[in-house]
Amino acid sequence: EVQLVESGGGLVQPGGSLRLSCAASGFTFSSYAMSWVRQAPGKGLEWVSAISGSGGSTYYADSVKGRFTISRDNSKNTLYLQMNSLRAEDTAVYYCAKSLGGVIVNDYFDYWGQGTLVTVSS
Amino acid sequence: EIVLTQSPATLSLSPGERATLSCRASQSVSSYLAWYQQKPGQAPRLLIYDASNRATGIPARFSGSGSGTDFTLTISSLEPEDFAVYYCQQRSNWPQIFTFGPGTKVDIK
Repeated sequence: EVQLVESGGGLVQPGGSLRLSCAASGFTFSSYAMSWVRQAPGKGLEWVSAISGSGGSTYYADSVKGRFTISRDNSKNTLYLQMNSLRAEDTAVYYCAKSLGGVIVNDYFDYWGQGTLVTVSS
Repeated sequence: EIVLTQSPATLSLSPGERATLSCRASQSVSSYLAWYQQKPGQAPRLLIYDASNRATGIPARFSGSGSGTDFTLTISSLEPEDFAVYYCQQRSNWPQIFTFGPGTKVDIK
């Protein structure tokens, strides 16, 4: 059974940093691209970042480019999102999501974690 | 950037009725469109991908159609568990961005 479990969310002041983790199980982690998708309270879904299975290619939404860094440790089956220079508008539930087709980064998301809430406020 | 527009914003129907949801893209996305269902407090669930393919475990009452700029998600007969928010997503405009539509809420009339 595929499982994705996020952790690391919490309350942080504007300008602060936070690192999210997503522990994966139930599939060959290194064979699948992964993404982070966020959802502000009461709002819709926004793709944040994606990474290839090997970790060699990364992609970002314009809204987070230069501030967030996606990475993965395939030996630990874990996906990360390092978030720096956080702003109030980054407040959201952050989901990690697995790509449907494997190596294709530009793909749909067939499994999602339960999400972790990040609140940026003074 | 491709913009996705969903209509209506809210659809009020009764169990057993047919639901028809629309997603329109600002430029062609070929058939690279998916539909997700999200219930309160839950993560989204993939229903349909590549416009018309049902994801694993999705009931046959869910169907998708369309190509280019106009897409439809149809729920043939609403079950109580189908009342939720539905999002469309395109994957065509890579590597710039994935985009989601703003969502359609299907609620009980």
